[in-house]
Amino acid sequence: QSVLTQPPSVSGAPGQRVTISCTGSSSNIGAGYDVHWYQQLPGTAPKLLIYDNSNRPSGVPDRFSGSKSGTSASLAITGLQAEDEADYYCQSYDSSLSGYNVFGTGTTVTVL
Amino acid sequence: QVQLQESGPGLVRPSQTLSLTCTVSGVSISSVPSYWNWIRQPPGKGLEWIGYISYSGLTYYSPSLNSRVSISLDTSKNQLSLRLRSVTAADTAMYYCARDQWPPAGLDPWGQGTLAIVSS
Repeated sequence: QSVLTQPPSVSGAPGQRVTISCTGSSSNIGAGYDVHWYQQLPGTAPKLLIYDNSNRPSGVPDRFSGSKSGTSASLAITGLQAEDEADYYCQSYDSSLSGYNVFGTGTTVTVL
Repeated sequence: QVQLQESGPGLVRPSQTLSLTCTVSGVSISSVPSYWNWIRQPPGKGLEWIGYISYSGLTYYSPSLNSRVSISLDTSKNQLSLRLRSVTAADTAMYYCARDQWPPAGLDPWGQGTLAIVSS
């Protein structure tokens, strides 16, 4: 019952650009709350990839970028690499009865 | 460098209480404006936020779990704990702890997670 909706899967060839959408509502992203993105490699814990909509923590390649507009946010991966194959989740905050922290439904990125 | 490590019993009987601990190193859990979160992930599924406890002991829980969950701090051990009552098979999941700061800037770092299986 996630309040943030992501496509279940996206795929691309090495070197291509892929984007992942995160669609919310007026009680979360549309209310002005920041969006964060996480990468979860197989069998590991999630790792912060993008914070505050478009900022990269130290050590995250600049191939990863984030943006936010209205009630949605997006994560873009340019120059797709084999090691980018993982699950990606968006996260924001919500002012309704859904709870404080809310996660997206998750997207699996496959490198063809 | 802040590090978190979860620990727990692994197997819990239905209707019993699941108790997990998250040990924090590299920072005092009560001395900085941090929010210590629990998140879970059922096998093959997505992430679900459970709740948080602030450095000062303020708690906030997911409405879907509010009636069964409690989070506490043990400052003497620099640990936070999760208790989930009346568990069922639907509570089987990998449980993670993670830190958020104030103002919020994403959950970072995360522990490696601990698997809790509810089964008789």
